Amino acid sequence: KAGVTQTPRYLIKTRGQQVTLSCSPISGHRSVSWYQQTPGQGLQFLFEYFSETQRNKGNFPGRFSGRQFSNSRSEMNVSTLELGDSALYLCASSLGIWGRTLNTGELFFGEGSRLTVL
Amino acid sequence: AQSVTQLGSHVSVSEGALVLLRCNYSSSVPPYLFWYVQYPNQGLQLLLKYTSAATLVKGINGFEAEFKKSETSFHLTKPSAHMSDAAEYFCAVSGIGGGFKTIFGAGTRLFVKA
Repeated sequence: KAGVTQTPRYLIKTRGQQVTLSCSPISGHRSVSWYQQTPGQGLQFLFEYFSETQRNKGNFPGRFSGRQFSNSRSEMNVSTLELGDSALYLCASSLGIWGRTLNTGELFFGEGSRLTVL
Repeated sequence: AQSVTQLGSHVSVSEGALVLLRCNYSSSVPPYLFWYVQYPNQGLQLLLKYTSAATLVKGINGFEAEFKKSETSFHLTKPSAHMSDAAEYFCAVSGIGGGFKTIFGAGTRLFVKA
């Protein structure tokens, strides 16, 4: 079973540009969550999509947006990049259905997209 | 709202010694609790999880954690550290109290000395 795939793995942008990151979840998973990881702030929750709908949202400015397609693949976009947006962006997929089942709540992570803003 | 506090951003142990990584949570309702591990330049992978079954949870690589409701804790232990355990460890909480989004602690980097 293929894992979570994130592309690109590394990218460099300059301030003011925008970036789009892609995430392909594990087959059969309907939920995709995005996290920003930085040395100072740790893992910060950005948003979660389930069946093409945003189900949860973290405390990030509107420059950060996302979407999910009918095949569960997800993209996140950051517009008007700032130096502080430099981070590892992690995508995690899950079944997305909560209950007392074996896989409840478990997140499967990709290796991340490392964004550097100059 | 749910939150997680990990005590100690860095922990250093000798090979063969006990590993103890501390995690306290805040939740108004019984939560789901998790420990994840992250090796350099990789994503996170699940070590173990508590979902209101047994309070002592066993995970991969010899790790285990005990859910203590009275102390709101979910500390991670391993009886004997191995060099390969050197990594960053994250405690996480989720559940209905937080809208089912998973919130992570700040992480604890484990160093293992030979």
